[in-house]
Amino acid sequence: NAGVTQTPKFRILKIGQSMTLQCTQDMNHNYMYWYRQDPGMGLKLIYYSVGAGITDKGEVPNGYNVSRSTTEDFPLRLELAAPSQTSVYFCASSYSGTPWDEKLFFGSGTQLSVL
Amino acid sequence: AQSVTQPDIHITVSEGASLELRCNYSYGATPYLFWYVQSPGQGLQLLLKYFSGDTLVQGIKGFEAEFKRSQSSFNLRKPSVHWSDAAEYFCACTVYSGTYKYIFGTGTRLKVLA
Repeated sequence: NAGVTQTPKFRILKIGQSMTLQCTQDMNHNYMYWYRQDPGMGLKLIYYSVGAGITDKGEVPNGYNVSRSTTEDFPLRLELAAPSQTSVYFCASSYSGTPWDEKLFFGSGTQLSVL
Repeated sequence: AQSVTQPDIHITVSEGASLELRCNYSYGATPYLFWYVQSPGQGLQLLLKYFSGDTLVQGIKGFEAEFKRSQSSFNLRKPSVHWSDAAEYFCACTVYSGTYKYIFGTGTRLKVLA
């Protein structure tokens, strides 16, 4: 029972490099989300997807891109990494996106440092 | 704009003592409210949620929360804290903008003294 799996757990990037954070879920969830967590700032929504082929911006999308070619996978791409993207990134999912009858399932996070 | 405020960044309590974590929200209608807990190195886990009905809701691990509309609050409580409760706690609400989105507070880090 894997749930939401994120890889890698840790990564150090140099300024200007690119990378993809992987997220996969095995619960057949339609809704998937990417959040970043900064100290004292809580979680901020970067992008979300309501199903395969459908994505939309959240609160802080600049500098990121996503795709959703399958129900299971929702990778987050960082192009031209900047120090401001140093953060902990969480992927989450839910089946219907309706908060009254379900909850968000979170991955264990990716700690990214851009130096 | 909708927001969630957690006034306490850090709280320290002794094991066995009672706990109350504060949460205030700003939203025009009655929101859907949640408390999530994040243990070190882990993702967030749902403790409890409120949608309607009884304003006192029970959650997992012995936690409860009370919705007070007049105070725009949704405080989390536990009668007797265990050392394993040390974690970061996030209050959240959902808002609808094409789809339901979660707005998280800034979190309260709980330290438990033996």
